[in-house]
Amino acid sequence: GAVVSQHPSRVICKSGTSVKIECRSLDFQATTMFWYRQFPKQSLMLMATSNEGSKATYEQGVEKDKFLINHASLTLSTLTVTSAHPEDSSFYICSARVQGGYEQYFGPGTRLTVT
Amino acid sequence: DAKTTQPPSMDCAEGRAANLPCNHSTISGNEYVYWYRQIHSQGPQYIIHGLKNNETNEMASLIITEDRKSSTLILPHATLRDTAVYYCIVRDQGGSEKLVFGKGTKLTVNP
Repeated sequence: GAVVSQHPSRVICKSGTSVKIECRSLDFQATTMFWYRQFPKQSLMLMATSNEGSKATYEQGVEKDKFLINHASLTLSTLTVTSAHPEDSSFYICSARVQGGYEQYFGPGTRLTVT
Repeated sequence: DAKTTQPPSMDCAEGRAANLPCNHSTISGNEYVYWYRQIHSQGPQYIIHGLKNNETNEMASLIITEDRKSSTLILPHATLRDTAVYYCIVRDQGGSEKLVFGKGTKLTVNP
């Protein structure tokens, strides 16, 4: 149980285009989902916290207009990287908190490469 | 900022116990100690967590010192598949839901 999926697993896009990444909780409902970014040889950095049906809370330094987060249902959150640039190339990972619980379960990550 | 300090790397022989230390000297009374690991190019995997008592599950054991300022994650019989970065995180279970990842310990299990 407690499986989180992400789609796509890898994406390559051209500079200036937008990319959407999906995060799904497959066998549980998640009122809260988290989005992280990880650059090579670095640790995970929390970008934002999204609660179902409300606006996401962004960490300091993360541009909310560039990284659009939608959490429209209890099993799906999406992260859209708008007007992507090469410096946005990174490993994006989501996690989901079980409704009524404290544990976070992580997705397998999405490797974004912007050319 | 992460509230924990871990050695950057450790090596362990396959089949032996791996003991990964973590210092969290500023931990407060209502903060739990969590351990996650991240195998290369994958999402983190939950291992174990505890408040003050030692904990054991099918993956590992967690030993927390009496003053709670440090802890040790024990993998009793390490395998090559246990090679990963191990993160020790302190977290207030009743407050912020955030997991703040430090740099972790890169554990390499050698054949």
